[in-house]
Amino acid sequence: GDSVTQMEGPVTLSEEAFLTINCTYTATGYPSLFWYVQYPGEGLQLLLKATKADDKGSNKGFEATYRKETTSFHLEKGSVQVSDSAVYFCALTEDGNKLVFGAGTILRVKS
Amino acid sequence: DTGVSQDPRHKITKRGQNVTFRCDPISEHNRLYWYRQTLGQGPEFLTYFQNEAQLEKSRLLSDRFSAERPKGSFSTLEIQRTEQGDSAMYLCASRLGPSYEQYFGPGTRLTVT
Repeated sequence: GDSVTQMEGPVTLSEEAFLTINCTYTATGYPSLFWYVQYPGEGLQLLLKATKADDKGSNKGFEATYRKETTSFHLEKGSVQVSDSAVYFCALTEDGNKLVFGAGTILRVKS
Repeated sequence: DTGVSQDPRHKITKRGQNVTFRCDPISEHNRLYWYRQTLGQGPEFLTYFQNEAQLEKSRLLSDRFSAERPKGSFSTLEIQRTEQGDSAMYLCASRLGPSYEQYFGPGTRLTVT
C-alpha cells in the first residue's frame, strides 16, 4: 500500500537558519502531495500542496517540489522563526479521500 | 466561516464503556472524514462519507466502531466496549467537491482508563 516516510526529529535550529525536512513516498499511481502543520495545542492545518510532478507548492515562506523521479516532496524554508516551531506532517492521497500521513517531524526553533 | 468543530474536546472513560463523538464539518462540505492519531504518529484514516453515504472503511475500524452521518451534515463516531488501546486523538476533516484539500477539526482526545 501507499506510505510516507519522513525524517525523524526533533529538528532543532536557531532562528534564521535554513530548514529542510525530508519526505519520500511510495504510491501505486500519481498521488497529490501535502504538507500539514500542527502548532502546539492546535489542529492540523494545510501548509502547502502539489498535485503533479514538478509542481512547487509554497506558503508562508515554505516550499516543496513534487519530484516524481525521486518520489520526494522535501519541505524547505530559507529562514525559520521561533513561531515555526511545530510538528510537520507529509501526506499523500491517490483518490482525494484517504490521506496517508508520515509520522511527523518535530521542529524546534531557538531564538 | 466557522471551521470544522468537534465535541467533546476531551473524554475520559472507563474500559468497557461506550463513547460517542460528534463532528460538524464546514457548511456545504459534502465529504467528511474520520482519522485516529496516536502519540508520536501521523493520523490514520478510519472512514469517510460523501453526503450521508459511508463509502469506505479502514480495517482499523473494528466491529466496535460505528460512524453515521444521517442527514449529510454532522457525523457521529461511536466506540462500544472501549479498550485501553482505543486511547487516541480522533480527528474529523471535511472537504468540498473536486478540491483534494481536507480541513481538520481540533480533535477529540479519548483516554480509556
